[in-house]
Amino acid sequence: GAGVSQTPSNKVTEKGKYVELRCDPISGHTALYWYRQSLGQGPEFLIYFQGTGAADDSGLPNDRFFAVRPEGSVSTLKIQRTERGDSAVYLCASSLGLSYNEQFFGPGTRLTVL
Amino acid sequence: GENVEQHPSTLSVQEGDSAVIKCTYSDSASNYFPWYKQELGKGPQLIIDIRSNVGEKKDQRIAVTLNKTAKHFSLHITETQPEDSAVYFCAAPGTYKYIFGTGTRLKVLA
Repeated sequence: GAGVSQTPSNKVTEKGKYVELRCDPISGHTALYWYRQSLGQGPEFLIYFQGTGAADDSGLPNDRFFAVRPEGSVSTLKIQRTERGDSAVYLCASSLGLSYNEQFFGPGTRLTVL
Repeated sequence: GENVEQHPSTLSVQEGDSAVIKCTYSDSASNYFPWYKQELGKGPQLIIDIRSNVGEKKDQRIAVTLNKTAKHFSLHITETQPEDSAVYFCAAPGTYKYIFGTGTRLKVLA
């Protein structure tokens, strides 16, 4: 079946601009996670959703970052007033539910802030 | 909170040899330990996992061992092949979210 998909695969923007990154989880997966991966590092947790609600957003670095999942499926990660330090690969993962450990990752969106 | 350390950061082996990657974790309540393989330009792919009620799990050339007392878990790849070359990450759960190790870049030399 289809895996987790993310769009766009690459995004180049200028400092100060607003960007939206989209994640389509595996059908039927109620839990959705966002991670950020800097070059040469492991993924770092940003936020996760159970259904429509953000169960834990403690990983969001500051209030320029926000994520939504209005219908409990597709999620959008929104970054305002982008900074060069936001450049990274943003990964989305999904699982059957919070009590199911296995998380399946999408290919990521590579964000470059010039 | 959970903390995960992974070693080595790079590992080169001859094709056909074995490779071992080790991780330690800090939270004794952690009960699930996945390993991911990440190829260039792709997202992490789950290759094997282990739960805390077993000490070892094997899937063809890949095995994972867990020592709960020492808070260690390791990935073993036998009969390595060039297509095993990638970055490998261990992870431990921190209340549903994963805490990842820093990764091991494995190079299998033909």
